[in-house]
Amino acid sequence: ILNVEQSPQSLHVQEGDSTNFTCSFPSSNFYALHWYRWETAKSPEALFVMTLNGDEKKKGRISATLNTKEGYSYLYIKGSQPEDSATYLCAFGNQAGTALIFGKGTTLSVSS
Amino acid sequence: NAGVTQTPKFQVLKTGQSMTLQCAQDMNHEYMSWYRQDPGMGLRLIHYSVGAGITDQGEVPNGYNVSRSTTEDFPLRLLSAAPSQTSVYFCASSYATGTRNEQFFGPGTRLTVL
Repeated sequence: ILNVEQSPQSLHVQEGDSTNFTCSFPSSNFYALHWYRWETAKSPEALFVMTLNGDEKKKGRISATLNTKEGYSYLYIKGSQPEDSATYLCAFGNQAGTALIFGKGTTLSVSS
Repeated sequence: NAGVTQTPKFQVLKTGQSMTLQCAQDMNHEYMSWYRQDPGMGLRLIHYSVGAGITDQGEVPNGYNVSRSTTEDFPLRLLSAAPSQTSVYFCASSYATGTRNEQFFGPGTRLTVL
């Protein structure tokens, strides 16, 4: 059974702090790694899809890196804002291209 | 584009009742899937489809049926509802096969089985 682990489970930061989360996944048979942002009472929205070892993606103050050989991805948020408060999900794509295995998410709370 | 739509938004069922959760997308996506979200469990894949006429089981398929007669629609059927199926259900779609393309999620259906 494939396992995707995210840490920490939750964290609370002050406005302006920078923070990062970790997603660990099986290093064999890597196909794709997704990051989603999920705000309360809304649907998950895609942030990044990464497919190559060493990939780095950036969208505004949010960036992500990928290490497929050791099986981890980091999501970074620079200068956190209250509107960044959400649950951040990562998902591992199976090699058949048919299924995403989601982690349980990291819930970020940013105080002003 | 409406994106991915789901109906109903809320539903309460009694044990043993059957119902269908509707999902539709207007983006001409080939890949569609159903997830359930339970506290502390994250999103778990129930069934998926890689195109009209093709469906397959995900991680937690028991108690659910799906069909894909058109590209646009992917209904999820609960055959005989059980309290363990109380959950929030999300439908998602993506261009071509799913795992190298971002998923677009619907707004969710919150189901309670008494």
